[in-house]
Amino acid sequence: DTGVSQDPRHKITKRGQNVTFRCDPISEHNRLYWYRQTLGQGPEFLTYFQNEAQLEKSRLLSDRFSAERPKGSFSTLEIQRTEQGDSAMYLCATTWSNSYEQYFGPGTRLTVT
Amino acid sequence: AQSVTQLDSHVSVSEGTPVLLRCNYSSSYSPSLFWYVQHPNKGLQLLLKYTSAATLVKGINGFEAEFKKSETSFHLTKPSAHMSDAAEYFCVVSGTGRRALTFGSGTRLQVQP
Repeated sequence: DTGVSQDPRHKITKRGQNVTFRCDPISEHNRLYWYRQTLGQGPEFLTYFQNEAQLEKSRLLSDRFSAERPKGSFSTLEIQRTEQGDSAMYLCATTWSNSYEQYFGPGTRLTVT
Repeated sequence: AQSVTQLDSHVSVSEGTPVLLRCNYSSSYSPSLFWYVQHPNKGLQLLLKYTSAATLVKGINGFEAEFKKSETSFHLTKPSAHMSDAAEYFCVVSGTGRRALTFGSGTRLQVQP
């Protein structure tokens, strides 16, 4: 257990529904990253926050995806109008500004039927 | 731009024999390199990291990796495999700035009794 928690651990939804995931970081970490991992692949970067500011979004993050980190603490990742291609493991990782080492949460596995 | 190539998607060894997981990287600057392990239904765990200090890096559970700039390689080794080492291993590079991690596609290590 790294101290990074994610909720829910599993989510099954029907195509077209909206889903929201939550990540709670290690308290003193001010950087928070979201990654997506599809079956048989390594995780891919989606977006990251420095405190409450979202500093970069990957081109993988379509307009249906939005992420927030109010008050620089927990973060949420919302997917609107889910598609089957959104089925994946969504991972959150956190760290300090001056560190290269990221601590990963257990992930949220999304299945879109 | 940065990238990593894991040269083997699957490696099978017998318990007690050496492990070698191969990784080549590409980076336009001095990279930070990592190996992460992912056991089934568990989160990503950092095995070891290279951040421009000693080129031979020791990690947890008896794993080591050597940074070879001339060969742009960062291979992971272990003298004697244990059944509990069976997992997916990811070679990872981190850049400057946002320091998002770029993962390889993974190597599945199978350990035979």
